[in-house]
This record gives sequence, C-alpha cells and structure tokens, in this order.
Amino acid sequence: SQQGEEDPQALSIQEGENATMNCSYKTSINNLQWYRQNSGRGLVHLILIRSNEREKHSGRLRVTLDTSKKSSSLLITASRAADTASYFCATEGRSASKIIFGSGTRLSIRP
Amino acid sequence: NAGVMQNPRHLVRRRGQEARLRCSPMKGHSHVYWYRQLPEEGLKFMVYLQKENIIDESGMPKERFSAEFPKEGPSILRIQQVVRGDSAAYFCASSGDYNSPLHFGNGTRLTVT
Repeated sequence: SQQGEEDPQALSIQEGENATMNCSYKTSINNLQWYRQNSGRGLVHLILIRSNEREKHSGRLRVTLDTSKKSSSLLITASRAADTASYFCATEGRSASKIIFGSGTRLSIRP
Repeated sequence: NAGVMQNPRHLVRRRGQEARLRCSPMKGHSHVYWYRQLPEEGLKFMVYLQKENIIDESGMPKERFSAEFPKEGPSILRIQQVVRGDSAAYFCASSGDYNSPLHFGNGTRLTVT
C-alpha cells in the first residue's frame, strides 16, 4: 500500500509557535499532497509537491519531500487559533493511480 | 464557478434500504474519487472514476456497493441493503487531471437506523 501515515496523531501547541507534522509512505509516488479538514467539513487542498521537488512554500506553510526516505513534512509557522484542524497527507502513485490518504494529525492551537 | 456539490448532506436509511449519494464535480473536471470517513479517522479510498469509466474500485466492497460517473449528470455512489456499519461520512472529490489537487465536497452523512 502507498498509504501515508502521519506523525504525530495529535499535536497541541501555543499560539505563535511552529507546528511540524510528518508523513511517511511506502511506494513510489507521482506527488504528495497536504490537506486540511475542519470538523464536519470537506478537505481543503494546501500544497502539492511533485516527486522531483524537494521543498515548496505557500504563505506560512512549508513542505519538504524526501523520496529516498519516503517521507514528507508540513511546517506551519507562527500558528494561529484558526489553524486548529486535522491535517492529512495524500499520495498519488504512478500512472493513473488512486490518491490515498493517511490517518491525519489533529492540531490544536492554544490561545 | 461552483465547487464540488454533494447531496444530500444528511441521509437516514433503515437497514435493508438503498442509499444513493450524488456528486457533481467542479466544471471541467473528469476525475472523481469517493472516500468514506468514520469520526476521528482518516479518509478511506473507495473508488476512482473518470467519465464513464471505473479506473480503480479496489477500496469498495464487491457486494452492495456500486459507483458510476455517466457521460451526462453527476457521479452516483449506490449502497444497496444498507447495514448499520455503513453509517459514515462519504466524501466526493474531483480533479481536472493527474498531478492536480483534489477539490472536495462537504460530504454526505449517512445514518443507518
């Protein structure tokens, strides 16, 4: 299975601190994606990083990808209360492949 | 440009009835995915379709579950003879191509009584 597994399962930090979440997967991928889900809602796409890319930024988000270790990390800098949500990584395998999600990290930002 | 539309938002069925979940992808999107989510858990892949074709249905139980994405109209996830274990949130997502992000609907919450 190419399923991503996030670590940690839950993370609670103080507002203003940085939050780092990790994702590991098992097989070769086309790309890896990070999504956010607020309670009871659909997922929202954050960043897509292709297999030939090593790092990508979007605002306060920074994603790295290490294909040799089959792992990725999502860093949220200067966290805000509104960042409280569940964060999922997802992998798209090679050639017309399904997109598989990990089990997620529940992030809580304390005011 | 409307996003992914799923209906109904909530669906209550008695055991043994049929559930039909609808998903209209974003305009111009030809790839549709269905996922199932239990409370406090991740998304479990069910089926991946492109227009009129099932690309991968490896996550969908072979009995009672079926999915289609016709040339015209929404994608349909159909669950026959529902059981209590089918109670979950079912999410649909669409994309325009490979290597493209998914756009999600807000899900259908199925409750089987």
